[in-house]
Amino acid sequence: GNSVTQMEGPVTLSEEAFLTINCTYTATGYPSLFWYVQYPGEGLQLLLKATKADDKGSNKGFEATYRKETTSFHLEKGSVQVSDSAVYFCALHPADGNQFYFGTGTSLTVIP
Amino acid sequence: NAGVTQTPKFQVLKTGQSMTLQCAQDMNHNSMYWYRQDPGMGLRLIYYSASEGTTDKGEVPNGYNVSRLNKREFSLRLESAAPSQTSVYFCASSEWVLREETQYFGPGTRLLVL
Repeated sequence: GNSVTQMEGPVTLSEEAFLTINCTYTATGYPSLFWYVQYPGEGLQLLLKATKADDKGSNKGFEATYRKETTSFHLEKGSVQVSDSAVYFCALHPADGNQFYFGTGTSLTVIP
Repeated sequence: NAGVTQTPKFQVLKTGQSMTLQCAQDMNHNSMYWYRQDPGMGLRLIYYSASEGTTDKGEVPNGYNVSRLNKREFSLRLESAAPSQTSVYFCASSEWVLREETQYFGPGTRLLVL
């Protein structure tokens, strides 16, 4: 079946620290992979995506590389800011399906 | 271009009451979805509609019904609300473009059932 597992939080970092949020997946074939971000009181927003192996998605300083060999799509940022405080969701969309599958979310708090 | 809109933003119901959550998108997307978000459980799919005129159950459909009124609108109905349905509800839409599909979310409806 299809599923997404992401590291549990909450994660607390100091401003300018390096961020990694781990995400691994189970899927048949070659799914598309996504990271969404949810700021307090808001809906989910697409942060970045990758649609095939070795693709790197990037946006707002965040990056994630589609690793087929390790079935992973880890989110990284070299220097986090207070404004990055949010909940981050990893998700996949199977190549042959209608549904999206989400991880449970990782809460990030960045302190000054 | 408003994207995905949801009404109401907040609602308080008593056990047994009914209500309909409204969702509309102006992106001409074929697919629409309803999720609920609960602490520690991420997003769980309630129902989805791959195209106008079709609906399918997701992971947690019990206690809910949906209507795909037209291509723009997809409503979620609670016939007899229960405290276990206290949650934040998100509507989303998506479209295949060049073999890629991305989902866009509304701002959510916060529902409290007493």
